[in-house]
Amino acid sequence: DAKTTQPPSMDCAEGRAANLPCNHSTISGNEYVYWYRQIHSQGPQYIIHGLKNNETNEMASLIITEDRKSSTLILPHATLRDTAVYYCIVRVDMEGAQKLVFGQGTRLTINP
Amino acid sequence: GAVVSQHPSWVICKSGTSVKIECRSLDFQATTMFWYRQFPKQSLMLMATSNEGSKATYEQGVEKDKFLINHASLTLSTLTVTSAHPEDSSFYICSAGGTHYNSPLHFGNGTRLTVT
Repeated sequence: DAKTTQPPSMDCAEGRAANLPCNHSTISGNEYVYWYRQIHSQGPQYIIHGLKNNETNEMASLIITEDRKSSTLILPHATLRDTAVYYCIVRVDMEGAQKLVFGQGTRLTINP
Repeated sequence: GAVVSQHPSWVICKSGTSVKIECRSLDFQATTMFWYRQFPKQSLMLMATSNEGSKATYEQGVEKDKFLINHASLTLSTLTVTSAHPEDSSFYICSAGGTHYNSPLHFGNGTRLTVT
């Protein structure tokens, strides 16, 4: 699986949009970009994933550049409960369960 | 959405004893589950892939005789830490799902193991 690069930490004010970048310059054509987050002492929570089109769900938006070498996760109105470590992972999409390999992620702190 | 349940959420055991952790997929069948370990302030490290009805596949450096994995049904995988030692104290997390195209893996809430 392609590796990803994320900033180790970020801060964001409550109520503002949090934009978390991820570089995945060696991504292959059949690899999706997945985002998870981990709140302290809990298991990772799935947020969103995409291949090449931008995606939006009730939690966040995912913007993938046209060359697919980078992406941005957007939390439109961050709250204190969004404080967590956010992981960007690329994963081959094929039939059968495929493991996720975690990098170090970005520790996002939402400040009141 | 898919739910993965782990039990217990925390356990304390004495050095030399064995501890079993259960991972269940509550609303779907999982032929494959994954076990991770996480030390404080570190990322998740994949330990092994649990395959229903067959042997688990262990990542490099993970002792298969120490971390016994059994995946006896389509909804249950167990991880047994044998002869636990203080250095085995960690946060163990399982995941399941993602078996179909374009579907994500889901994670349990983890088990905090403390070996005294």
